[in-house]
Amino acid sequence: EADIYQTPRYLVIGTGKKITLECSQTMGHDKMYWYQQDPGMELHLIHYSYGVNSTEKGDLSSESTVSRIRTEHFPLTLESARPSHTSQYLCASSGSDSPEAFFGQGTRLTVV
Amino acid sequence: AQSVTQLGSHVSVSEGALVLLRCNYSSSVPPYLFWYVQYPNQGLQLLLKYTSAATLVKGINGFEAEFKKSETSFHLTKPSAHMSDAAEYFCAVSPTGFQKLVFGTGTRLLVSP
Repeated sequence: EADIYQTPRYLVIGTGKKITLECSQTMGHDKMYWYQQDPGMELHLIHYSYGVNSTEKGDLSSESTVSRIRTEHFPLTLESARPSHTSQYLCASSGSDSPEAFFGQGTRLTVV
Repeated sequence: AQSVTQLGSHVSVSEGALVLLRCNYSSSVPPYLFWYVQYPNQGLQLLLKYTSAATLVKGINGFEAEFKKSETSFHLTKPSAHMSDAAEYFCAVSPTGFQKLVFGTGTRLLVSP
């Protein structure tokens, strides 16, 4: 079944640790996105990619980085986690045949 | 730049009552518009989309939305609320489709018995 997967679903980690949030999709979509969702619900685009080896920063500045080496994979990395990074991170993808984005279940990150 | 405004961070209705969630957009070109729903600790699920075809769009779970260019609105409605409709609802815009979505701030729908 075509889908988009995020792991882990929940992560509690100490300050200063390096973390990678995984996102994979099996729909063959060329476009992928990372959104950060604050406790007050609003979503902010922090990274996006329109294809392999293409990454762009989104509307909200983020200390995280992303890579797109394979079409199906779009991991997000924080080199040194801080409490201010505590948030929910949502990965999404979209294809060339329809305009909507499909979302993963999200990763809820807590940095202590 | 494209944007959407959702009026009301919280909307409360009784079970069986009409649901109306408001969304106004700002776009310099005919936009693609979307409504998503988010249940607790979940990702976003597409409810419906407007892609310049019919102005009245029907979605899943009995929801529908009407695109009104003169009012730059895309309000979401459901004739009769169900307890399972309680969730967060997001309106989103994409300037020409097939591009990154810009989301509104969301509206929490509360349904009381």
